[in-house]
Amino acid sequence: DAGVIQSPRHEVTEMGQEVTLRCKPISGHNSLFWYRQTMMRGLELLIYFNNNVPIDDSGMPEDRFSAKMPNASFSTLKIQPSEPRDSAVYFCASSLRGLGTQYFGPGTRLLVL
Amino acid sequence: GESVGLHLPTLSVQEGDNSIINCAYSNSASDYFIWYKQESGKGPQFIIDIRSNMDKRQGQRVTVLLNKTVKHLSLQIAATQPGDSAVYFCAENIGEYGNKLVFGAGTILRVKS
Repeated sequence: DAGVIQSPRHEVTEMGQEVTLRCKPISGHNSLFWYRQTMMRGLELLIYFNNNVPIDDSGMPEDRFSAKMPNASFSTLKIQPSEPRDSAVYFCASSLRGLGTQYFGPGTRLLVL
Repeated sequence: GESVGLHLPTLSVQEGDNSIINCAYSNSASDYFIWYKQESGKGPQFIIDIRSNMDKRQGQRVTVLLNKTVKHLSLQIAATQPGDSAVYFCAENIGEYGNKLVFGAGTILRVKS
């Protein structure tokens, strides 16, 4: 079975540019999570969706960040405009609501110059 | 200049020895806990979980112990192998049905051959 799929795996961009990260959750999972991992702050939850509906976005750093889940098999995390401090590894995870265990994708390593 | 970041504790063990990784959690109402393993360049990988109505759970070569009195969680790895070298995270559920996990800072496990 395919796990969580993320693209791109690596992204290098310049400050001010728009960045879009993509995620395909495990088929049948109805909860999706976006995390950010940095050396400074560790692994932080940014936002999560249940049945394509955003439930908690309290971890989203600021208005430059937005996330969507138009259907059960696709989600995007967008940063516009990007800043150097956004450089991090961004993970997507999915789970079956009610069972708790979250399965992580391989991550997108973002570098904003 | 010197970069500042999370200073992760490191556990170094000899191949074949048992490893014990500890974690203190913060919320006495947390009812579900997970251990994840993260290898370099990869996303966190589920190892084992435990619900708060249990104090011990065993998997293949791994055991998780939960002490709710002191809010402490431990992961025991038997006969540690070089492939066990990674960063290990505990996570506690603070949301409904495991939908919101808070991750610890992590512990680096180094296995010496």
